[in-house]
Amino acid sequence: DADVTQTPRNRITKTGKRIMLECSQTKGHDRMYWYRQDPGLGLRLIYYSFDVKDINKGEISDGYSVSRQAQAKFSLSLESAIPNQTALYFCATSDSQGGNQPQHFGDGTRLSIL
Amino acid sequence: DAKTTQPPSMDCAEGRAANLPCNHSTISGNEYVYWYRQIHSQGPQYIIHGLKNNETNEMASLIITEDRKSSTLILPHATLRDTAVYYCIVSSAGNNRKLIWGLGTSLAVNP
Repeated sequence: DADVTQTPRNRITKTGKRIMLECSQTKGHDRMYWYRQDPGLGLRLIYYSFDVKDINKGEISDGYSVSRQAQAKFSLSLESAIPNQTALYFCATSDSQGGNQPQHFGDGTRLSIL
Repeated sequence: DAKTTQPPSMDCAEGRAANLPCNHSTISGNEYVYWYRQIHSQGPQYIIHGLKNNETNEMASLIITEDRKSSTLILPHATLRDTAVYYCIVSSAGNNRKLIWGLGTSLAVNP
């Protein structure tokens, strides 16, 4: 979805480095999410935010932190990267109106940690 | 949120209808059925969702059984570009809604 932009698209880095993945959206949605996907597996939720002042842990938040700088921006940080955090990372957004609105995804960031 | 069961893979001839099944026998009354697909390693793409009535949009139709324990996603005229992994997800509405992703069905559309 071109309205959800993730940067960078690809990143290779070394163990122990601090990394930030960024997500911005022009959809005007209040909810934002970070997922990771490992080869052959479904997506797993890392963190989610229902508005600027709201941050919630997902099922695999250890080793990650997030910041919701504005309604349109949600960044994911790896404070000290380790090889098993090598994965495909997706940001998603959704609208809280109606309670059942679908999530819209960015094109992903492919992260490799050596 | 209820879990779903999907066949790991399916084949379909180009131009034919693709019918992708999903079982969600533990679905509760306030849970919706969502379908997404993922082409290669691109971001998942929303297709359609429904609560109990059948739904249709420009991409697909969603048929939900009367007891809501299973559903079928129908791509009426599959093309090669519909080759993807299709995910069926059940999730409740409301502030605590999150999506729990399984492994999906890998659909291969063959010429």
